[in-house]
Amino acid sequence: DAGVIQSPRHEVTEMGQEVTLRCKPISGHNSLFWYRQTMMRGLELLIYFNNNVPIDDSGMPEDRFSAKMPNASFSTLKIQPSEPRDSAVYFCASSLAPPGAPADTQYFGPGTRLTVL
Amino acid sequence: LAKTTQPISMDSYEGQEVNITCSHNNIATNDYITWYQQFPSQGPRFIIQGYKTKVTNEVASLFIPADRKSSTLSLPRVSLSDTAVYYCLVGDRGSTLGRLYFGRGTQLTVWP
Repeated sequence: DAGVIQSPRHEVTEMGQEVTLRCKPISGHNSLFWYRQTMMRGLELLIYFNNNVPIDDSGMPEDRFSAKMPNASFSTLKIQPSEPRDSAVYFCASSLAPPGAPADTQYFGPGTRLTVL
Repeated sequence: LAKTTQPISMDSYEGQEVNITCSHNNIATNDYITWYQQFPSQGPRFIIQGYKTKVTNEVASLFIPADRKSSTLSLPRVSLSDTAVYYCLVGDRGSTLGRLYFGRGTQLTVWP
């Protein structure tokens, strides 16, 4: 398996622009997670889906952030409008089962490094 | 949700055994303890998971005392390639609404 795939790997944009990050989870995995990592705050969970349904989005910082999972093999994280404080590495992860269930080990993608100027 | 506390950083030399201790005083009955490892420019990777006593795999050992208020990740004979950030997580296995907090982890630096 190719593992979790994220695109783009790097994104540089200007403040106010829309940014869309993409993720393809491991085939057969039913849970998908979006994380954000910064030096100051470490690794934070933004949202997670189970069977394409958002289960916990309490980590989404504000209305500028939105995430969708239209099918089992694709998810997007959108920031509109972007701000410099959104600069971070965004990771997507997937697991066979949701947190709390057997086989809940999360497999992470390589991340997208976002820079908002 | 149980909060975890672990050292921000640790240093070691090649060939030594490294023990990273994590405190989780408010751990609940249904909580499991999981450790992840993250190399620079990569996403975290699962290392080991346990509920009580001792768990060992090909990478590490996890020691959990009877009260489960702490846990220790043990890395035998570390090498330079073990330089990474190590995260201790406590997660509720009793609910599908459970979530995992990674926090800032422990930066382990292995020197020659």
